[in-house]
Amino acid sequence: QVQLVESGGGGVQPGTSLRLSCAASGFTFTSYGIHWVRQVPGKGLDWVAVMFFDGSNKYYADSVKGRFTISRDNSKNTVYLQMNSLRAEDTAVYYCARDGLAESTAWLFEYWGQGTLVTVSS
Amino acid sequence: QSALTQPASVSGSPGQSITISCTGTSSDVGTFNLVSWYQQHPGKAPKLMIFDVSKRPSGVSDRFSGSKSGNTASLTISGLQAEDEADYYCCSYAGRSTLVFGGGTMLTVL
Repeated sequence: QVQLVESGGGGVQPGTSLRLSCAASGFTFTSYGIHWVRQVPGKGLDWVAVMFFDGSNKYYADSVKGRFTISRDNSKNTVYLQMNSLRAEDTAVYYCARDGLAESTAWLFEYWGQGTLVTVSS
Repeated sequence: QSALTQPASVSGSPGQSITISCTGTSSDVGTFNLVSWYQQHPGKAPKLMIFDVSKRPSGVSDRFSGSKSGNTASLTISGLQAEDEADYYCCSYAGRSTLVFGGGTMLTVL
């Protein structure tokens, strides 16, 4: 079965960096795009970034553009989210989610991980 | 990108039907048939319920249906059940390879 497991969250100070990981299993990793979505505790969902199945394209929400970088390591079936210059408003649970269409992009989240909490505070 | 507009809360009695609206603009919901809906129970990850406006993933009850008219998409749940009580989020492709979510709707089953 499809599994996505996030890790790397924790408490950090403003201005610092953190790298999240999303380990995938149960499907052909190189055939699907992976998104990152975040949720401030008690609030709504917020799309963060996507990397296409073949790594050819990466796109970001305006709120993180220039600070966050999405990447993937196909040898480890893992997608990363490098978060730099973190701000208090980046505090959230970060979910990785698999797109719904093989070898393309359906712009939806078919499977989700359980999330990892990032807290940015001084 | 501005968030899509959803009602903060809706409620219904078991067996009834409810509809949750999701209003966007001609730049997102109105132009693209790439609207999806997610159900989220407290402390859990969201679950895909509807995609491409009105398609249901395998395993999702046919009590859930989606539609769109102009800039507004809708999720209808018929035959409400206690387990439907959750938060619901709409999401739309917004052009320029970006996605935008609605603010979420809390469904209470009375």
